[in-house]
Amino acid sequence: GQNIDQPTEMTATEGAIVQINCTYQTSGFNGLFWYQQHAGEAPTFLSYNVLDGLEEKGRFSSFLSRSKGYSYLLLKELQMKDSASYLCAVRDQSNAGKSTFGDGTTLTVKP
Amino acid sequence: DAGVTQSPTHLIKTRGQQVTLRCSPKSGHDTVSWYQQALGQGPQFIFQYYEEEERQRGNFPDRFSGHQFPNYSSELNVNALLLGDSALYLCASSWGALYQETQYFGPGTRLLVL
Repeated sequence: GQNIDQPTEMTATEGAIVQINCTYQTSGFNGLFWYQQHAGEAPTFLSYNVLDGLEEKGRFSSFLSRSKGYSYLLLKELQMKDSASYLCAVRDQSNAGKSTFGDGTTLTVKP
Repeated sequence: DAGVTQSPTHLIKTRGQQVTLRCSPKSGHDTVSWYQQALGQGPQFIFQYYEEEERQRGNFPDRFSGHQFPNYSSELNVNALLLGDSALYLCASSWGALYQETQYFGPGTRLLVL
């Protein structure tokens, strides 16, 4: 099975940079996803890493190290609208694409 | 291009009742996964449907069942509802031929069991 760990809460200032970490233990691995979820809404896709390294997409970047079972999501130039829960999810190759989610990191951006 | 749609948006039921939730996948997608998200937790995988068959199942009892239709839409049925079934139920679709495809979520159905 999969076990996903990420911090419960983080606070950052508008305009700053924040890094949200995720560690995982898996019995199989076929990619790691990051999703953003605003309160009361569905998760929206942010990034996907399947190979080691950094993937950059605008203000958001995601890093993966498969040997360490570690990923982070980096958010730059924080805006108030970035206040949300950020979910790390690992897809298990041995289970037909099943994704296991962490409980999410609630990010609060303050002025 | 319509995204993933779900109905209804909200539902209130009482213990012991049965409920059916519906999902239409994003255009071009043929795989549907269902998740249960309790308050303050991440989504928990219920099952996945591909080619009208259940391809994978999470740790949920048989009270949770599903179906996929030829047009790729899907239903989630929950029998003998318990208070603990109160949650946001999310449907996610993807193109299932390769397991690497990203899945996209619908807006969810919020179920309250009284």
